[in-house]
Amino acid sequence: GAGVSQTPSNKVTEKGKYVELRCDPISGHTALYWYRQSLGQGPEFLIYFQGTGAADDSGLPNDRFFAVRPEGSVSTLKIQRTERGDSAVYLCASSLTDGGNYNEQFFGPGTRLTVL
Amino acid sequence: KNQVEQSPQSLIILEGKNCTLQCNYTVSPFSNLRWYKQDTGRGPVSLTIMTFSENTKSNGRYTATLDADTKQSSLHITASQLSDSASYICVVSTDTGTASKLTFGTGTRLQVTL
Repeated sequence: GAGVSQTPSNKVTEKGKYVELRCDPISGHTALYWYRQSLGQGPEFLIYFQGTGAADDSGLPNDRFFAVRPEGSVSTLKIQRTERGDSAVYLCASSLTDGGNYNEQFFGPGTRLTVL
Repeated sequence: KNQVEQSPQSLIILEGKNCTLQCNYTVSPFSNLRWYKQDTGRGPVSLTIMTFSENTKSNGRYTATLDADTKQSSLHITASQLSDSASYICVVSTDTGTASKLTFGTGTRLQVTL
C-alpha cells in the first residue's frame, strides 16, 4: 500500500488478556516507530526499530509491553496482562532512514485499544 | 525533561478567518521542529519541518515560524476552511545520530465553523 497501515483499527479486550497490534510500514522504510496517544494528549514514544533490531525501547512503560520486527518490515506490538490504563490509541510510523533533518515520519491511522 | 507546550488548548474560528497557534519547547539538543495536523481518528500528517537555521516555512495556507533563541514557534493559518478543523501538534526532534526522537506537544484543537 501507499501508506502505513495498522490492524486492527479497534480492539476491545478484557483486563488481563493478551493483545497484538500490527503495523505495516511503507515499503522500503527501514525505521519504524511505535507511539501511544492517550485522549487529549500528544503521542508518546514507545520503541524504535532500525531494520530488525530495537534500537531504542526506552519508552516502553514496563515489561508487559514488547515489540518485534522479525523481517525488518511488519512489526507487532504485544501487550501482556492488559490493564485499563493501557487503553489508548497506538500509532505506528515509519521513515526512510533513521535520522537526520527532514527525515519525515509517516504515521498510520492507529489502533484504538480499549481495555474493559 | 524535554517538554513541548502549546497554546491555546482549543480554538473556534469562523470560516475564512486567520489564526495563529503557539508552541514553546525545552528540548535539547534541538534538531528540528515540525508541525503536524491530526484529523479525528487519523494519524498525524506533517505540515512543515524547520531546522535551527530556518525562521519561516510555508505550505499552502500554513506558515510556520521558528525563533530558536527564545525556543518558540507559531503556526499561522490563513483564510481558514472547514477542512482545517483538526488538532495541530508541535513536535520537536532530537537527532541522536541513530534516531530522530520526537517530543510531541499536547496539540491545539481547532474548530472552523460557518
